[in-house]
Amino acid sequence: EIVLTQSPGTLSLSPGERVTLSCRASQRVSSNYLAWYQQKPGQAPRLLIYGASSRATGIPDRFSGSGSGTDFTLTISRLEPEDFAVYYCQQYGSSPQTFGQGTKVEIK
Amino acid sequence: EVQLVESGGGLVQPGGSLRLSCAATGFTFDDYAMHWVRQAPGKGLEWVSGISWNSGHIAYADSVKGRFTISRDNAKNSLYLQMNSLRAEDTAFYYCARDKNGYNFVYFDYWGQGTLVTVSS
Repeated sequence: EIVLTQSPGTLSLSPGERVTLSCRASQRVSSNYLAWYQQKPGQAPRLLIYGASSRATGIPDRFSGSGSGTDFTLTISRLEPEDFAVYYCQQYGSSPQTFGQGTKVEIK
Repeated sequence: EVQLVESGGGLVQPGGSLRLSCAATGFTFDDYAMHWVRQAPGKGLEWVSGISWNSGHIAYADSVKGRFTISRDNAKNSLYLQMNSLRAEDTAFYYCARDKNGYNFVYFDYWGQGTLVTVSS
């Protein structure tokens, strides 16, 4: 099974800052089948990005995804107050699909 | 509006059984594969099981294989998870999630709010 390692574990930032989150796979992710989710406390996860770089419906364009092979990145161009949350990557190119352990973006 | 509402969670003793349900509204249920994903309190996400639109493709995480059974009733727009031989490590919020595809599993575009399963004596 593919292991996804997210870094850093926690980021302390201020609104307006640029954020870069990393997701590294233990093997190549087939067809760049990688998604990103956002989860706020007490809520279900929400799909942000699929196919490594395609934004889901209704997701603001300050969110962008990039990468290929084993290294992927989620970028938030300018943090809004509602963006403070935990972010997970998921690969669905190989069975079983797997999630990273998450990166928490907290207010500094 | 797509809605997924889980039910059936609760407190159960180790070795016991529980059946979770997920009621789906706002979309054509039998066009989509469906999944269960769980999250232990304060921990990350773990995919548990998935089922294709016609129940022809079913898969389980190794951690639940042989103990959990996923099923669906397209006439009732419902997804189920029968959980047997429950262990303390099965304690988690269980989310119902819709797959973007109908047969091959990809990513999850809608999620329910989850139901809590606690396994404890």
